Amino acid sequence: ETGVTQTPRHLVMGMTNKKSLKCEQHLGHNAMYWYKQSAKKPLELMFVYNFKEQTENNSVPSRFSPECPNSSHLFLHLHTLQPEDSALYLCASSHGLAGWVTQYFGPGTRLTVL
Amino acid sequence: QKEVEQNSGPLSVPEGAIASLNCTYSDRGSQSFFWYRQYSGKSPELIMFIYSNGDKEDGRFTAQLNKASQYVSLLIRDSQPSDSATYLCAVQITNTGNQFYFGTGTSLTVIP
Repeated sequence: ETGVTQTPRHLVMGMTNKKSLKCEQHLGHNAMYWYKQSAKKPLELMFVYNFKEQTENNSVPSRFSPECPNSSHLFLHLHTLQPEDSALYLCASSHGLAGWVTQYFGPGTRLTVL
Repeated sequence: QKEVEQNSGPLSVPEGAIASLNCTYSDRGSQSFFWYRQYSGKSPELIMFIYSNGDKEDGRFTAQLNKASQYVSLLIRDSQPSDSATYLCAVQITNTGNQFYFGTGTSLTVIP
């Protein structure tokens, strides 16, 4: 595997379900990110981790819970989601957060909440 | 306000022409600027970044930054049908943590 991988690629869940999204980067990076991409809206940064420590949480509802066990893996735990949470969830990674930061994106998880 | 604004398009240019994509941003604390290309159903991929005023060229792509006017642009020379995609402008702001703001993207179609 190379680059940034995400699983699953597609997920359909009910509002009462609990599921997790997984991201893994094979680039030797130290920073990882979760973004939400909804139709006709800009990419929204949700969380930033640097060396496993969360550095940014952009007022994301608590029904989204991130976890970063190490610099290569990032999870997004989902519970009691709403239909408006349906979107493409993108993971990204970068070398770090110093200077200009070039991010590499994974293929995304297309989430549908029924 | 930390908005990044782009004309959503669609922008259509004939093959071989120059495509010009523009982006304005509102936060003067913005420090680095990025252009990503996103094909339909795919994730964004980085094309270029720029952090100093002026032009930066990479192959057929030229990024232009004017911090005084708060705009950044991307020129694509000799446009090819394979350039047809949505182009996302992004800014990095580091004076209050590390934040990245994206525009909604400009849809480009290169007509053969």
